[in-house]
Amino acid sequence: DIQMTQSPSSLSASVGDRVSISCQASQDISNYINWYQQKPGKVPELLIYDASNLQTGVPSRFSGSGSGTDFTLTISDLQPEDIATYYCQLYDNLPITFGQGTRLEIK
Amino acid sequence: QVQLVQSGADAKKPGSSVKISCKASGGSFDSYTFSWVRQAPGQGLEWMGRLIPILGKSNYAQKFQGRLTITADEFTSTVYMQLSSLTSEDTAVYYCARSGANDAYNIWGQGTLVSVSS
Repeated sequence: DIQMTQSPSSLSASVGDRVSISCQASQDISNYINWYQQKPGKVPELLIYDASNLQTGVPSRFSGSGSGTDFTLTISDLQPEDIATYYCQLYDNLPITFGQGTRLEIK
Repeated sequence: QVQLVQSGADAKKPGSSVKISCKASGGSFDSYTFSWVRQAPGQGLEWMGRLIPILGKSNYAQKFQGRLTITADEFTSTVYMQLSSLTSEDTAVYYCARSGANDAYNIWGQGTLVSVSS
């Protein structure tokens, strides 16, 4: 199975900051990665699909980049409503794998 | 508007089975893949398996092989997840999720809490 390493596990930043979350695959997965946001007590929501495509309705301050083994979710101009846990998801092969999650807090 | 509506919370004894339903409304049923993802208390997301109704094909994570069954009733646009031989480790919120060809889960059910305790 392909292993996914997501970092950091937690992150604290200020409103207006630029924040980056990383996922690294143990082998080349092309662009087969999606990103999700899960607010406390809520259902996960799709943010980015196929590494860099913004899901309809998601604010443009969210962006995804990378290919091969290294991927990044970036939130520019951090907002209070962005408090959540973020997950990457690999779907290159079965089993589909989620990263360990990154808990984002506002300073 | 496309929705996935799951059955309600359930409390089970160790060794028993649970069956959760996920009814899809507002869109084509056969054109998508339906997956089950669970989340133990305070933990991350864990993929369990998926069903592609149009192919009648299911795939399961190795961890659940032999005790997980995902089925569908196309007439009622409902997907079912049955997990057997429950232990306390199976206490979690179980989500169904819909995706297209890229396994991007753009539609999620509301989640079903399953508690396993003696």
